[in-house]
Amino acid sequence: SQTIHQWPATLVQPVGSPLSLECTVEGTSNPNLYWYRQAAGRGLQLLFYSVGIGQISSEVPQNLSASRPQDRQFILSSKKLLLSDSGFYLCAWRDGGRDTGELFFGEGSRLTVL
Amino acid sequence: GQNIDQPTEMTATEGAIVQINCTYQTSGFNGLFWYQQHAGEAPTFLSYNVLDGLEEKGRFSSFLSRSKGYSYLLLKELQMKDSASYLCAVEDSNYQLIWGAGTKLIIKP
Repeated sequence: SQTIHQWPATLVQPVGSPLSLECTVEGTSNPNLYWYRQAAGRGLQLLFYSVGIGQISSEVPQNLSASRPQDRQFILSSKKLLLSDSGFYLCAWRDGGRDTGELFFGEGSRLTVL
Repeated sequence: GQNIDQPTEMTATEGAIVQINCTYQTSGFNGLFWYQQHAGEAPTFLSYNVLDGLEEKGRFSSFLSRSKGYSYLLLKELQMKDSASYLCAVEDSNYQLIWGAGTKLIIKP
């Protein structure tokens, strides 16, 4: 069966510090991968998605970046965090062989920038 | 622009039935999803509708009317564990999901 894991689950970072969130999918090949951010009372905001190794599409211009160094690994990074980067970050995967289908989410990473 | 509307919060009684509505205006339509999200946790998939009508899955049912841009999630025999946020999401013409802000459902004994 397929599983998805992301870490760390919780982190508190000072403004201006770097960020790295990692996500790994098991039990599937060539998944579509996604990074979302969820702010309180707001819908899920798509940050990045990837349909293959090294292929990253950015939905929202900001100081975050994403990379996909391996087929089932997706990393969200920042060189200098802003207060507005605080939120709940969710990694998700979807069957890459289909245009549609449900998203499966990782456990989430709650980031607080102070 | 693209827009998904659902009520912010609803309250219901244990054992009762509740209907959570979702209306949408999107660039194209390739399906509508409902997800459940408990506080502090990730969303989990509940249902998917692409054709008009009712899809039933145990205590949960989801309805879609594409001509009206409308869906609802029906929860029967409510249990305390159903207290959660329910997210409506529409897949647009590019197969990207557009998310509503979610409906927080509070179940009272």
